Amino acid sequence: EAQVTQNPRYLITVTGKKLTVTCSQNMNHEYMSWYRQDPGLGLRQIYYSMNVEVTDKGDVPEGYKVSRKEKRNFPLILESPSPNQTSLYFCASSRFGGASYGYTFGSGTRLTVV
Amino acid sequence: TQLLEQSPQFLSIQEGENLTVYCNSSSVFSSLQWYRQEPGEGPVLLVTVVTGGEVKKLKRLTFQFGDARKDSSLHITAAQPGDTGLYLCAGDTDSWGKLQFGAGTQVVVTP
Repeated sequence: EAQVTQNPRYLITVTGKKLTVTCSQNMNHEYMSWYRQDPGLGLRQIYYSMNVEVTDKGDVPEGYKVSRKEKRNFPLILESPSPNQTSLYFCASSRFGGASYGYTFGSGTRLTVV
Repeated sequence: TQLLEQSPQFLSIQEGENLTVYCNSSSVFSSLQWYRQEPGEGPVLLVTVVTGGEVKKLKRLTFQFGDARKDSSLHITAAQPGDTGLYLCAGDTDSWGKLQFGAGTQVVVTP
Protein backbone atom coordinates (compact mmCIF):
# COMPACT_ATOMS: atom_id res chain seq x y z
CA GLU A 1 0.00 0.00 0.00
CA ALA A 2 1.30 3.42 -1.00
CA GLN A 3 1.73 5.45 2.13
CA VAL A 4 3.62 7.96 4.22
CA THR A 5 4.49 6.65 7.67
CA GLN A 6 5.20 8.96 10.59
CA ASN A 7 6.38 7.99 14.03
CA PRO A 8 5.50 8.49 16.76
CA ARG A 9 1.78 9.38 16.54
CA TYR A 10 1.84 11.02 19.96
CA LEU A 11 4.74 12.50 21.90
CA ILE A 12 4.96 14.42 25.15
CA THR A 13 8.37 15.83 25.98
CA VAL A 14 10.02 18.45 28.14
CA THR A 15 11.51 21.75 27.06
CA GLY A 16 15.03 21.40 25.69
CA LYS A 17 15.08 17.64 25.17
CA LYS A 18 16.08 16.87 21.61
CA LEU A 19 13.66 14.77 19.61
CA THR A 20 13.24 13.35 16.12
CA VAL A 21 10.02 12.61 14.29
CA THR A 22 10.55 10.09 11.51
CA CYS A 23 8.86 10.10 8.12
CA SER A 24 9.14 7.44 5.43
CA GLN A 25 7.39 7.06 2.06
CA ASN A 26 7.26 3.98 -0.19
CA MET A 27 6.20 5.67 -3.45
CA ASN A 28 9.64 6.71 -4.73
CA HIS A 29 8.54 10.35 -4.56
CA GLU A 30 11.10 13.07 -5.21
CA TYR A 31 9.43 15.70 -3.06
CA MET A 32 8.83 15.59 0.70
CA SER A 33 7.69 18.24 3.13
CA TRP A 34 6.86 18.89 6.77
CA TYR A 35 3.88 20.94 7.92
CA ARG A 36 2.53 21.97 11.27
CA GLN A 37 -1.17 22.49 11.84
CA ASP A 38 -2.47 24.88 14.48
CA PRO A 39 -6.09 25.96 15.11
CA GLY A 40 -7.07 28.92 12.95
CA LEU A 41 -3.72 28.95 11.14
CA GLY A 42 -4.11 25.94 8.90
CA LEU A 43 -1.15 23.99 7.60
CA ARG A 44 2.13 25.88 7.52
CA GLN A 45 5.18 24.54 5.78
CA ILE A 46 8.29 24.02 7.92
CA TYR A 47 10.83 22.55 5.47
CA TYR A 48 10.70 20.79 2.16
CA SER A 49 13.01 18.68 0.06
CA MET A 50 12.94 18.39 -3.72
CA ASN A 51 15.41 15.51 -3.83
CA VAL A 52 18.09 13.70 -1.88
CA GLU A 53 20.45 16.16 -0.19
CA VAL A 54 18.31 19.12 -1.36
CA THR A 55 16.31 20.85 1.37
CA ASP A 56 14.92 24.36 1.78
CA LYS A 57 13.07 26.41 4.34
CA GLY A 58 9.34 26.78 4.30
CA ASP A 59 7.37 29.49 6.05
CA VAL A 60 8.10 28.55 9.69
CA PRO A 61 11.55 26.88 9.84
CA GLU A 62 12.84 28.39 13.11
CA GLY A 63 13.64 25.76 15.72
CA TYR A 64 13.58 22.84 13.28
CA LYS A 65 16.11 20.88 11.27
CA VAL A 66 15.70 18.29 8.55
CA SER A 67 17.89 16.00 6.50
CA ARG A 68 17.34 13.97 3.33
CA LYS A 69 20.06 11.36 3.03
CA GLU A 70 17.82 8.80 1.33
CA LYS A 71 14.88 9.37 -0.99
CA ARG A 72 12.41 7.55 1.23
CA ASN A 73 13.20 9.21 4.58
CA PHE A 74 12.80 12.80 5.75
CA PRO A 75 13.16 13.14 9.53
CA LEU A 76 12.20 16.30 11.42
CA ILE A 77 14.55 17.24 14.26
CA LEU A 78 13.80 19.56 17.13
CA GLU A 79 17.16 20.27 18.77
CA SER A 80 15.74 22.14 21.76
CA PRO A 81 11.94 21.97 21.78
CA SER A 82 9.96 24.80 23.33
CA PRO A 83 6.26 24.97 24.30
CA ASN A 84 5.43 27.06 21.22
CA GLN A 85 6.32 24.01 19.13
CA THR A 86 3.39 22.13 20.61
CA SER A 87 1.40 21.30 17.50
CA LEU A 88 0.14 18.64 15.11
CA TYR A 89 2.82 17.77 12.57
CA PHE A 90 2.33 16.21 9.15
CA CYS A 91 4.81 14.80 6.70
CA ALA A 92 3.80 14.75 3.03
CA SER A 93 5.28 13.47 -0.19
CA SER A 94 4.62 14.07 -3.86
CA ARG A 95 6.07 12.88 -7.13
CA PHE A 96 7.32 16.43 -7.64
CA GLY A 97 6.60 19.70 -5.82
CA GLY A 98 3.88 22.20 -6.52
CA ALA A 99 0.12 21.79 -6.80
CA SER A 100 0.10 19.90 -10.09
CA TYR A 101 0.86 16.64 -8.32
CA GLY A 102 -1.11 15.12 -5.49
CA TYR A 103 0.35 15.15 -2.00
CA THR A 104 0.12 12.07 0.20
CA PHE A 105 0.09 12.90 3.89
CA GLY A 106 1.05 10.83 6.89
CA SER A 107 -1.39 10.35 9.78
CA GLY A 108 0.26 13.04 11.87
CA THR A 109 2.30 13.40 15.04
CA ARG A 110 0.75 15.23 17.94
CA LEU A 111 3.58 16.81 19.89
CA THR A 112 3.23 18.40 23.32
CA VAL A 113 6.19 20.25 24.84
CA VAL A 114 5.86 21.00 28.55
CA THR B 1 -1.87 36.63 6.76
CA GLN B 2 -3.18 33.65 4.82
CA LEU B 3 -2.40 33.68 1.12
CA LEU B 4 -5.56 31.64 0.60
CA GLU B 5 -8.70 32.75 2.41
CA GLN B 6 -11.40 30.15 2.91
CA SER B 7 -15.00 30.89 3.77
CA PRO B 8 -16.97 30.14 5.72
CA GLN B 9 -14.80 28.91 8.57
CA PHE B 10 -17.55 26.61 9.83
CA LEU B 11 -20.65 25.19 8.18
CA SER B 12 -23.30 23.02 9.82
CA ILE B 13 -26.09 21.61 7.66
CA GLN B 14 -28.67 18.84 7.61
CA GLU B 15 -28.32 15.75 5.49
CA GLY B 16 -29.65 16.33 1.99
CA GLU B 17 -28.87 20.05 1.86
CA ASN B 18 -26.38 21.62 -0.53
CA LEU B 19 -23.32 23.61 0.48
CA THR B 20 -20.56 25.69 -1.11
CA VAL B 21 -17.10 26.41 0.25
CA TYR B 22 -14.97 29.20 -1.16
CA CYS B 23 -11.25 29.68 -1.53
CA ASN B 24 -10.04 33.16 -2.53
CA SER B 25 -6.73 34.92 -3.05
CA SER B 26 -5.29 38.06 -4.59
CA SER B 27 -2.55 35.92 -6.13
CA VAL B 28 -2.69 33.92 -9.33
CA PHE B 29 -2.16 30.19 -8.90
CA SER B 30 -0.67 27.82 -11.43
CA SER B 31 -2.87 25.08 -10.00
CA LEU B 32 -4.99 24.46 -6.95
CA GLN B 33 -5.94 21.43 -4.91
CA TRP B 34 -8.74 20.52 -2.53
CA TYR B 35 -8.26 18.15 0.40
CA ARG B 36 -10.54 16.67 3.06
CA GLN B 37 -9.20 15.96 6.52
CA GLU B 38 -10.94 13.83 9.12
CA PRO B 39 -10.14 13.98 12.84
CA GLY B 40 -6.89 12.27 13.72
CA GLU B 41 -5.83 11.82 10.12
CA GLY B 42 -3.85 13.63 7.48
CA PRO B 43 -5.50 15.50 4.59
CA VAL B 44 -6.56 13.39 1.62
CA LEU B 45 -6.45 14.82 -1.88
CA LEU B 46 -9.84 15.22 -3.57
CA VAL B 47 -8.99 17.03 -6.79
CA THR B 48 -6.43 19.16 -8.63
CA VAL B 49 -7.55 21.95 -10.98
CA VAL B 50 -5.05 23.50 -13.35
CA THR B 51 -6.92 25.49 -16.02
CA GLY B 52 -8.78 28.77 -15.45
CA GLY B 53 -12.53 28.16 -15.66
CA GLU B 54 -12.10 24.42 -15.19
CA VAL B 55 -14.94 22.47 -13.58
CA LYS B 56 -14.39 18.98 -12.20
CA LYS B 57 -16.97 16.66 -10.73
CA LEU B 58 -16.38 13.89 -8.24
CA LYS B 59 -19.73 12.19 -7.60
CA ARG B 60 -21.70 14.79 -5.57
CA LEU B 61 -18.75 17.19 -5.33
CA THR B 62 -18.20 19.90 -7.95
CA PHE B 63 -14.98 21.90 -8.03
CA GLN B 64 -14.49 25.10 -9.99
CA PHE B 65 -11.33 27.07 -10.69
CA GLY B 66 -11.90 30.76 -11.37
CA ASP B 67 -11.21 32.17 -14.82
CA ALA B 68 -8.42 34.35 -13.44
CA ARG B 69 -7.02 31.43 -11.41
CA LYS B 70 -7.30 33.42 -8.17
CA ASP B 71 -10.23 31.60 -6.61
CA SER B 72 -11.98 28.27 -6.41
CA SER B 73 -15.13 26.78 -5.01
CA LEU B 74 -16.32 23.40 -3.82
CA HIS B 75 -20.02 22.58 -4.06
CA ILE B 76 -21.53 19.51 -2.43
CA THR B 77 -24.97 18.38 -3.55
CA ALA B 78 -27.26 16.48 -1.19
CA ALA B 79 -24.68 16.34 1.60
CA GLN B 80 -24.34 13.17 3.64
CA PRO B 81 -22.88 12.63 7.14
CA GLY B 82 -19.85 11.03 5.47
CA ASP B 83 -19.03 14.43 3.95
CA THR B 84 -18.23 15.75 7.43
CA GLY B 85 -14.65 16.96 7.68
CA LEU B 86 -12.23 19.84 7.33
CA TYR B 87 -11.96 20.98 3.71
CA LEU B 88 -8.68 22.59 2.74
CA CYS B 89 -7.66 24.35 -0.43
CA ALA B 90 -4.00 24.59 -1.40
CA GLY B 91 -2.12 26.17 -4.26
CA ASP B 92 1.23 27.26 -5.54
CA THR B 93 2.07 30.55 -7.24
CA ASP B 94 5.45 30.79 -8.88
CA SER B 95 7.39 29.42 -5.95
CA TRP B 96 7.83 25.80 -6.93
CA GLY B 97 7.67 23.38 -4.07
CA LYS B 98 5.89 25.69 -1.61
CA LEU B 99 2.30 24.59 -1.51
CA GLN B 100 0.26 27.13 0.46
CA PHE B 101 -2.83 26.02 2.38
CA GLY B 102 -5.93 27.88 3.44
CA ALA B 103 -7.04 27.63 7.08
CA GLY B 104 -9.87 25.30 6.13
CA THR B 105 -13.65 25.08 6.36
CA GLN B 106 -15.06 22.72 8.96
CA VAL B 107 -18.19 21.05 7.54
CA VAL B 108 -20.59 19.15 9.78
CA VAL B 109 -23.47 17.23 8.22
CA THR B 110 -26.04 15.94 10.68
CA PRO B 111 -28.49 13.12 9.90
